[in-house]
Amino acid sequence: AQSVTQLDSQVPVFEEAPVELRCNYSSSVSVYLFWYVQYPNQGLQLLLKYLSGSTLVKGINGFEAEFNKSQTSFHLRKPSVHISDTAEYFCAVRVRSGSARQLTFGSGTQLTVLP
Amino acid sequence: DVKVTQSSRYLVKRTGEKVFLECVQDMDHENMFWYRQDPGLGLRLIYFSYDVKMKEKGDIPEGYSVSREKKERFSLILESASTNQTSMYLCASSFGGGANTGELFFGEGSRLTVL
Repeated sequence: AQSVTQLDSQVPVFEEAPVELRCNYSSSVSVYLFWYVQYPNQGLQLLLKYLSGSTLVKGINGFEAEFNKSQTSFHLRKPSVHISDTAEYFCAVRVRSGSARQLTFGSGTQLTVLP
Repeated sequence: DVKVTQSSRYLVKRTGEKVFLECVQDMDHENMFWYRQDPGLGLRLIYFSYDVKMKEKGDIPEGYSVSREKKERFSLILESASTNQTSMYLCASSFGGGANTGELFFGEGSRLTVL
């Protein structure tokens, strides 16, 4: 079975600074990878996804992530954050041959952008 | 846009009460999910349904049941609510079969407090 580790539970950063949220996964087979964002008192929405092809994936709101197969990582980055990026971010993984119910979420990283 | 609607955003119930959480999606998705979200634990799958009247247990089904009588509607039932079921409950839906890549569409969540 696959698993996901989000290495930081809390990341405080000043406005306009760059940020990286780290995600590592374990799986012996090919995977799909996702980042979801949850704003306060809301459900999750998809930020970006890696299915195949280019390892650098661009998402909404200026975020991007890079799939690194050798390091089994899928870190999320943004070059300059805004106050409105304050939210909880979840990394998720599913094996390609698996069923829909086999999507595994990390424990989340709370990003707090400070003025 | 896909819309997943959860009927109640906030509920307060007493121990032993029967609780119904309703979820409706408007994208004709085959798959529907109920997750529970707790701080530091990420999202944990309670139940999954891949078709009308079809369901599979997730990782934490104890104390819960589900009903899917129509394709667009998926209900979560707590037969006898307990205080340890105080949590945020998230409904999600996705395409089924070959169209499924693991991307989920979430509702805004139902925050349940059991006193």
